[in-house]
Amino acid sequence: EPEVTQTPSHQVTQMGQEVILRCVPISNHLYFYWYRQILGQKVEFLVSFYNNEISEKSEIFDDQFSVERPDGSNFTLKIRSTKLEDSAMYFCASSRGGPDEQFFGPGTRLTVL
Amino acid sequence: RKEVEQDPGPFNVPEGATVAFNCTYSNSASQSFFWYRQDCRKEPKLLMSVYSSGNEDGRFTAQLNRASQYISLLIRDSKLSDSATYLCVVTQAGTALIFGKGTTLSVSS
Repeated sequence: EPEVTQTPSHQVTQMGQEVILRCVPISNHLYFYWYRQILGQKVEFLVSFYNNEISEKSEIFDDQFSVERPDGSNFTLKIRSTKLEDSAMYFCASSRGGPDEQFFGPGTRLTVL
Repeated sequence: RKEVEQDPGPFNVPEGATVAFNCTYSNSASQSFFWYRQDCRKEPKLLMSVYSSGNEDGRFTAQLNRASQYISLLIRDSKLSDSATYLCVVTQAGTALIFGKGTTLSVSS
């Protein structure tokens, strides 16, 4: 069964450093998403991406964040200058169509020291 | 006001029990409704979509009341493997999933 993959599974970084989280969505999916979950809190939407552009973003997704689909398979989330409060599990998801089921990857746990 | 509210639990039930979870959402323009399941430190996985007419999938039954802005999930004949956190999820105008904090279920033998 096709699945969303994410690398790395755990990233530790120093405050102020840039990090890039990588995702490979399911191959025939057209919509891509990033969510985050701070430990003990709810899953929060960050951004959706369709047709090579951002289609929707939340208030969390400020100028420190960017997304890119650099080639036909990868989808990345970049955090330019990490803060302590960016520590969270970051989930990538993809769907075939907008309202269709979103399939989540296993997540990248980001720890900012 | 929280967009999606759930009783956090935990709900501790014996195997074979029937358990019901409730959820309310604040935006009357919400369009799609789901229950997701999340195991500890894992990704959310779709359990079922929720329709106004109600829908059933094996031991799981979901109901939606748009007038009350209320969603429910009923699990019959609980199994040990049902132990997880159940997330109530809605969408509004776009495709973004809006999650509740989840209700934790623990099924014991």
